Amino acid sequence: SQTIHQWPATLVQPVGSPLSLECTVEGTSNPNLYWYRQAAGRGLQLLFYSVGIGQISSEVPQNLSASRPQDRQFILSSKKLLLSDSGFYLCAWSVEGGAETQYFGPGTRLLVL
Amino acid sequence: AQSVTQLDSHVSVSEGTPVLLRCNYSSSYSPSLFWYVQHPNKGLQLLLKYTSAATLVKGINGFEAEFKKSETSFHLTKPSAHMSDAAEYFCVVSGTGGFKTIFGAGTRLFVKA
Repeated sequence: SQTIHQWPATLVQPVGSPLSLECTVEGTSNPNLYWYRQAAGRGLQLLFYSVGIGQISSEVPQNLSASRPQDRQFILSSKKLLLSDSGFYLCAWSVEGGAETQYFGPGTRLLVL
Repeated sequence: AQSVTQLDSHVSVSEGTPVLLRCNYSSSYSPSLFWYVQHPNKGLQLLLKYTSAATLVKGINGFEAEFKKSETSFHLTKPSAHMSDAAEYFCVVSGTGGFKTIFGAGTRLFVKA
């Protein structure tokens, strides 16, 4: 069966520090991968999606970047965090093609102080 | 263009009473529709999915939703609420490819004893 992992679960970082959040998927090949951010009391905002290694599309301009160095690994990064980067970050995967179901990881709670 | 509107930001019910979470969508073609549930500080879990088969879709934990094309609605219901149903629920519309997936703003369900 497929599983998706995210780490860390919780992170507290000072403003201006770098960020690296990791997401890995097991039990499937060539998944579509997604990064979402959920700010307090708000819905999900799609940040990045990837259809394959090295292929990243950004939905909104921001202080963050994403990379996919391996088929089942998706990394969310920042060189300098802002206060507004605080939120709950969710990684998701889906099979390629069609209006597919997305399966979510447990999320990372990021607090920037 | 696609859009999804969850008509209530909060719904409060008593344990044992019916649950109704409302969702309206807009899509220029036949969409796929989903309901996800999110418990506090957790990832999203798929409740059910509609993909142009039967209009009444049964999901996990006793939830079901009915696709009504004439009303462009996909409301989520459950005959009898349980305390463990207290969570946030997201209605999602998707077209061809998950990249066009749009999440509603969410409805927080409170269940009173």
